Amino acid sequence: EVQLVESGGGLVQPGGSLRLSCAASGFTFGNFWMSWVRQAPGKGLEWVANIQQDGSETYYVDSVKGRFTVSRDNAKNSLYLQMNSLRAEDTAVYYCVRTGYYDSGDYWGQGTVVTVSS
Amino acid sequence: DIQMTQSPSSLSASVGDRVTITCRASQSISGYLNWYQQRPGKAPKLLIYSASSLQSGVPSRFSGSGSGADFTLTISSLQREDFATYYCQQSHTTPYTFGQGTRLEI
Repeated sequence: EVQLVESGGGLVQPGGSLRLSCAASGFTFGNFWMSWVRQAPGKGLEWVANIQQDGSETYYVDSVKGRFTVSRDNAKNSLYLQMNSLRAEDTAVYYCVRTGYYDSGDYWGQGTVVTVSS
Repeated sequence: DIQMTQSPSSLSASVGDRVTITCRASQSISGYLNWYQQRPGKAPKLLIYSASSLQSGVPSRFSGSGSGADFTLTISSLQREDFATYYCQQSHTTPYTFGQGTRLEI
């Protein structure tokens, strides 16, 4: 059974940093692109970033470029999102997502909540 | 970025109804269109990928169609568990943008 379990969310002040983690199991992690998608309270879904199987390619939405870094450790079956210079508008539930056919998100974690507030 | 526009934003229907949700891209995305269902407090669930391919385990009452820039999601006979919010997403060009969502209510 595919499982994605996010952790690392919490309350952080504006300008602060957080590192999210996603522990993957039930599939060969190193064979799949992975993504982060977020959802602000009461709002829709926003794709944040993705990373190629070996970590050599990454892509970001403009609003997080230069502040967020996606990475992975295939030996540990783990995906990460380093978030720096956090802003109030980064407040959201962050989902770890496995990339399936046609770059769809075929499996999602339960999400971790990030709140940026003073 | 490619803009995705869903219509309607909300929809009231009854059990057994047939409903259609439309998604339009700001440019051609070929068949790189996915549909998700999200129930309150839950993570999204993939229903349809590549515009018309049914994800494994998804009931056959869900179907998708379209190509280029115009796409539809159809639920042939609504069940109580289908009342949720639906999102389209283009996976043609990063950033892989979502539509604003369609809330399906009883």
